[in-house]
Amino acid sequence: AQSVTQLGSHVSVSEGALVLLRCNYSSSVPPYLFWYVQYPNQGLQLLLKYTTGATLVKGINGFEAEFKKSETSFHLTKPSAHMSDAAEYFCAVSLPTSGTYKYIFGTGTRLKVLA
Amino acid sequence: DTGVSQNPRHKITKRGQNVTFRCDPISEHNRLYWYRQTLGQGPEFLTYFQNEAQLEKSRLLSDRFSAERPKGSFSTLEIQRTEQGDSAMYLCASSPGQPSSGNTIYFGEGSWLTVV
Repeated sequence: AQSVTQLGSHVSVSEGALVLLRCNYSSSVPPYLFWYVQYPNQGLQLLLKYTTGATLVKGINGFEAEFKKSETSFHLTKPSAHMSDAAEYFCAVSLPTSGTYKYIFGTGTRLKVLA
Repeated sequence: DTGVSQNPRHKITKRGQNVTFRCDPISEHNRLYWYRQTLGQGPEFLTYFQNEAQLEKSRLLSDRFSAERPKGSFSTLEIQRTEQGDSAMYLCASSPGQPSSGNTIYFGEGSWLTVV
């Protein structure tokens, strides 16, 4: 069965510093991969997704992620953190096989941005 | 595009009472999902509809939980005889196609349930 592991439940960075949030997956076939962001008391908003094609995916708010099959990873990065990036980030997988209708989410990483 | 709408946003109920949440998906989306999220955890899949048909249910969806989607439009999630362990945020989402085809699912803002 597929699973998602997000290393680090809490990450703190200084404003302007590099953001790196880690996501590793386990799947019998190459999955579709997603990053969502959740602000306090709100639902989830899609940041970016990888399905096929280019392995470096750019998303909203300056975020990007790279699918590395050999490392079974899909880490999220942003060159320069902004205070408004403080939120919880979730990595999710979906299998490109028929009959699978759901995403499997990681446990999330809470990003804190220090002034 | 008004997004996925959920109500009520917050509900406090006494243990043993029944509660119902409503979800209005994005209008052209025929697929609708319910997830549950507890503090410090990612969303967990509960159930899935394609139009009015409920195609998949998680083992998390005990007999006290029932979801419907009459006429393939809005959906309701009812929890009967609530327990304190039901306290969570209930997220609704919708998509224009199967996630297995790489289609994005769009989430609502969630309905918080507190059982006291």
